[in-house]
Amino acid sequence: GQNIDQPTEMTATEGAIVQINCTYQTSGFNGLFWYQQHAGEAPTFLSYNVLDGLEEKGRFSSFLSRSKGYSYLLLKELQMKDSASYLCAAMDSNYQLIWGAGTKLIIKP
Amino acid sequence: ETGVTQTPRHLVMGMTNKKSLKCEQHLGHNAMYWYKQSAKKPLELMFVYNFKEQTENNSVPSRFSPECPNSSHLFLHLHTLQPEDSALYLCASSQEMGTANTQYFGPGTRLTVL
Repeated sequence: GQNIDQPTEMTATEGAIVQINCTYQTSGFNGLFWYQQHAGEAPTFLSYNVLDGLEEKGRFSSFLSRSKGYSYLLLKELQMKDSASYLCAAMDSNYQLIWGAGTKLIIKP
Repeated sequence: ETGVTQTPRHLVMGMTNKKSLKCEQHLGHNAMYWYKQSAKKPLELMFVYNFKEQTENNSVPSRFSPECPNSSHLFLHLHTLQPEDSALYLCASSQEMGTANTQYFGPGTRLTVL
């Protein structure tokens, strides 16, 4: 079956770095997406990886290893506004997104 | 950014009521999606429309009925719902299905079924 695993909750300190991991198993693979969702708001697109390696976008970076079925989202210089849920989703051979349950990130001062 | 809008934002209904959720996208996209989001669970894809044609219906009960009159509008008609249907219903759009396009989401409708 198809499956996405990511931690349920993580806590980090303002100004620090945090890495949110995601492992996936899908029928075929057409890329890995990360979304951010603040409570009561829409999920917003953060990044897309389809090739192995690291993609950097400001304070956020996303990494993909296709051979390991593994991705991570790296957040640097954490700010209080980064407190949110982070959703990992893999696109299968039918171009459907298979979603993880999300990682709730709590930032402490 | 208000590329995808949803109304109402909150809805409380009894099990015998009939109501409709509305979604509108202003991004010029051709694919639209309905998702159900329950607490601590992955997003569940309910329906997909591509160029106004329904392409996916992921075993959704018939008490949920989608309608897509054009590429910009999507409705979800609700009738005789159950309390377990209480959830956040998210609408999304993308350029089209069948390619690795990013999906853009609306803010959702928080539905409570009494």
